[in-house]
Amino acid sequence: GAGVSQSPSNKVTEKGKDVELRCDPISGHTALYWYRQSLGQGLEFLIYFQGNSAPDKSGLPSDRFSAERTGGSVSTLTIQRTQQEDSAVYLCASSLYDSALHFGNGTRLTVT
Amino acid sequence: AQKITQTQPGMFVQEKEAVTLDCTYDTSDPSYGLFWYKQPSSGEMIFLIYQGSYDQQNATEGRYSLNFQKARKSANLVISASQLGDSAMYFCAMREWGTALIFGKGTTLSVSS
Repeated sequence: GAGVSQSPSNKVTEKGKDVELRCDPISGHTALYWYRQSLGQGLEFLIYFQGNSAPDKSGLPSDRFSAERTGGSVSTLTIQRTQQEDSAVYLCASSLYDSALHFGNGTRLTVT
Repeated sequence: AQKITQTQPGMFVQEKEAVTLDCTYDTSDPSYGLFWYKQPSSGEMIFLIYQGSYDQQNATEGRYSLNFQKARKSANLVISASQLGDSAMYFCAMREWGTALIFGKGTTLSVSS
């Protein structure tokens, strides 16, 4: 079946612009995660949605970052007023409750 | 608060040898799950193995096994008979019940012929 889909795969933006990254999870998966990975580094947790519960936003690095999940499915991660330090690969993952995460291929964000 | 520690930034092993990648964790929750993922240079994240805190036996999946020592809070990944295709970054991760999955910083494994 279809896996986790992220778009765009690459995004180049100018410093100060807003960007939106999209994630389509696996159909029926209850949980959705966003992570950020800088080159050669680990995965930094950003935000976690589980069913209808309030999202865990504890990993969002600043108030420039926000995410929503509409209809328990598609999610959008928004970064306002982008900075060069926001350049990274943004990974989305979904899972059925607390089972193993299935990852998308990521969006590579470059802020110039 | 959860904490995952991978102390080996890089490991080197020859083909056909076994290798152990270390992972320790810290949690006060009796219910948690431990995961290992592989990330090749292509960037995809591949799930390898899972161990639940209440599981009595160590998890195994083919050439992968998880050496779970609950009292020591360690969850080391053992790869038997290494192959060139095992060269990748390996991440240990932990999740307490109902919370987000948190990853360690990873270990880069290099397998040589």
